Amino acid sequence: QSALTQPRSVSGSPGQSVAISCTGTSSDVGGYNYVSWYQQHPGKAPKFMIYDVIKRPSGVPDRFSGSKSGNTASLTISGLQAEDEADYYCCSYAGDYTWVFGGGTKVTVL
Amino acid sequence: QVQLQESGPGLVKPSETLSLTCAVSGYSIGSGFYWGWNRQPPGKGLEWIGNIYYSGRTSYNPSLKSRVTISLDTSKNQFSLTLSSVTAADTAVYYCARVRGGGNGYGFDYWGQGTLVPVSS
Repeated sequence: QSALTQPRSVSGSPGQSVAISCTGTSSDVGGYNYVSWYQQHPGKAPKFMIYDVIKRPSGVPDRFSGSKSGNTASLTISGLQAEDEADYYCCSYAGDYTWVFGGGTKVTVL
Repeated sequence: QVQLQESGPGLVKPSETLSLTCAVSGYSIGSGFYWGWNRQPPGKGLEWIGNIYYSGRTSYNPSLKSRVTISLDTSKNQFSLTLSSVTAADTAVYYCARVRGGGNGYGFDYWGQGTLVPVSS
């Protein structure tokens, strides 16, 4: 069970869009539509942002959207805002009731 | 509102056993969902440790399976983590979480605030 691959960092100016990729294998990301995304500000617990690839929990702004193609899932933040600066982690169900996280991506708002 | 709160010793010595408890409020853990533990070494990413279903079925990260036990105490509405034979590599912030799986979707929807457990002599 290897960690999912995410870029170390992405950046964008306020109002722009950024996308974070999350690459796994056919045993996790590619095998199930059960990718979730988490936002983590420094010193805080992760926050549930996207689940089942594309679904947003109640209260999450629609600026956050998810997608998947093959073994790669993506989180897109549209209309980037200062408060979106944080670390983002993807996570995938990997079968047999197991889970795997990505290494995390730091989003910087320029 | 579902709330989770981790508790446990502030420091564990190498080779000893780490024990943490997660107290849940706002939901009866014996009613449904999975309940899980994740950890995050300082300055690093998240790692899934394991989950327990409300029925008691467990699943663990293969890399930790030989050292991990997760259990439920429905009478106290809490669940616990034990990790044996710890080393400095087990130093991390440990988070408990409620885990969706099935008709409610899949993901970790509620998290505790986390507790830092240093492993040091």
